[in-house]
Amino acid sequence: GENVEQHPSTLSVQEGDSAVIKCTYSDSASNYFPWYKQELGKRPQLIIDIRSNVGEKKDQRIAVTLNKTAKHFSLHITETQPEDSAVYFCAARLSYNTDKLIFGTGTRLQVFP
Amino acid sequence: GAVVSQHPSRVICKSGTSVKIECRSLDFQATTMFWYRQFPKQSLMLMATSNEGSKATYEQGVEKDKFLINHASLTLSTLTVTSAHPEDSSFYICSASSGQGNSPLHFGNGTRLTVT
Repeated sequence: GENVEQHPSTLSVQEGDSAVIKCTYSDSASNYFPWYKQELGKRPQLIIDIRSNVGEKKDQRIAVTLNKTAKHFSLHITETQPEDSAVYFCAARLSYNTDKLIFGTGTRLQVFP
Repeated sequence: GAVVSQHPSRVICKSGTSVKIECRSLDFQATTMFWYRQFPKQSLMLMATSNEGSKATYEQGVEKDKFLINHASLTLSTLTVTSAHPEDSSFYICSASSGQGNSPLHFGNGTRLTVT
């Protein structure tokens, strides 16, 4: 089955710096890659997603890139703020006919003021 | 936007009892619902996929007789943890999809289960 690896597990940055989180997936049939932000004790919130027919997508300070050949995708957060501190999960959807998501192991991001 | 309501948000039960968790899609029809389990500081592990009107599909290693899933309508799925044990204590989160192929998943608020 699909396997999603995520790195790093923890990331500490200074406010204003950029943060990059990387994920790799195993199933080349995966075609949808969302990123979720989860604050302690709360539900995961979708922050950005990318589909397999696109190489890059940007939404204000957040961007995601996808390399289908290498089967990896990355989340980029620029001008980080303390409120960006949370756990971030990448995920991959297996195929067009299912909405099942397999999640990465998560990255705990801390942004220091 | 799409709203998924999960209830209860917290529950404490004694070993050996059963607990039912409800997941409702409030403003859309959820043909598919997913149940995840999350241990502290860990990722979301998919437990099972439920489709309205049919039996749930369980992931490898998940006991279907222990985690009973019912998806009787397009807006409601329930997860019942039967004969709960302390090791079942966890954060359970449901998510719902309208089943339109590339639709995003919408998550419930989660249920923190503590078994004493």
